[in-house]
Amino acid sequence: AQTVTQSQPEMSVQEAETVTLSCTYDTSESDYYLFWYKQPPSRQMILVIRQEAYKQQNATENRFSVNFQKAAKSFSLKISDSQLGDAAMYFCAYRWMNRDDKIIFGKGTRLHILP
Amino acid sequence: DVKVTQSSRYLVKRTGEKVFLECVQDMDHENMFWYRQDPGLGLRLIYFSYDVKMKEKGDIPEGYSVSREKKERFSLILESASTNQTSMYLCASSLGAGMNTEAFFGQGTRLTVV
Repeated sequence: AQTVTQSQPEMSVQEAETVTLSCTYDTSESDYYLFWYKQPPSRQMILVIRQEAYKQQNATENRFSVNFQKAAKSFSLKISDSQLGDAAMYFCAYRWMNRDDKIIFGKGTRLHILP
Repeated sequence: DVKVTQSSRYLVKRTGEKVFLECVQDMDHENMFWYRQDPGLGLRLIYFSYDVKMKEKGDIPEGYSVSREKKERFSLILESASTNQTSMYLCASSLGAGMNTEAFFGQGTRLTVV
């Protein structure tokens, strides 16, 4: 069965610094998607970034980038130039590409931004 | 923009009551999901549906049932609410298999069972 593990329940970073959130996953499939979602306090869950497993190039969205290591089954999120608005719960998620199936989430990492 | 709307933001129910949580999406998505979110446990899937009248159990289906009579609407039913079902419930929707897309979430329903 597929699993997603986030080993850091909480992290803190100084404003304007860079922080990396870790995620590992376990699957026997070769075609899948990986996602990072952000859930600000009392607000809706939104997508931060998405990676297709067949793409070797790491996805980037403005200040957010990933380090996707398929062989190691690792998918970390790097946030550059951290801003106060980045404070949130971050969830790593996995979804099989070729079948209607569930999306599996990690337990989340709460990120604090220190002014 | 995709919109996923949950019928209530906050709900307080009594033990033993039958509770309905409604979710509607406006983007013709095939897949719809109900998750439960608890501190330290992340998001756990209760049920998901990949088509009208189709449903599959997730990781924690006990005490819950679902209904999908129309493509845009996915209801979660607590047959007899219990205090251990006090939680945040999140509905999500997405396009079907093979489509390069993420899940879009509703704003959540915080349910308290007293």
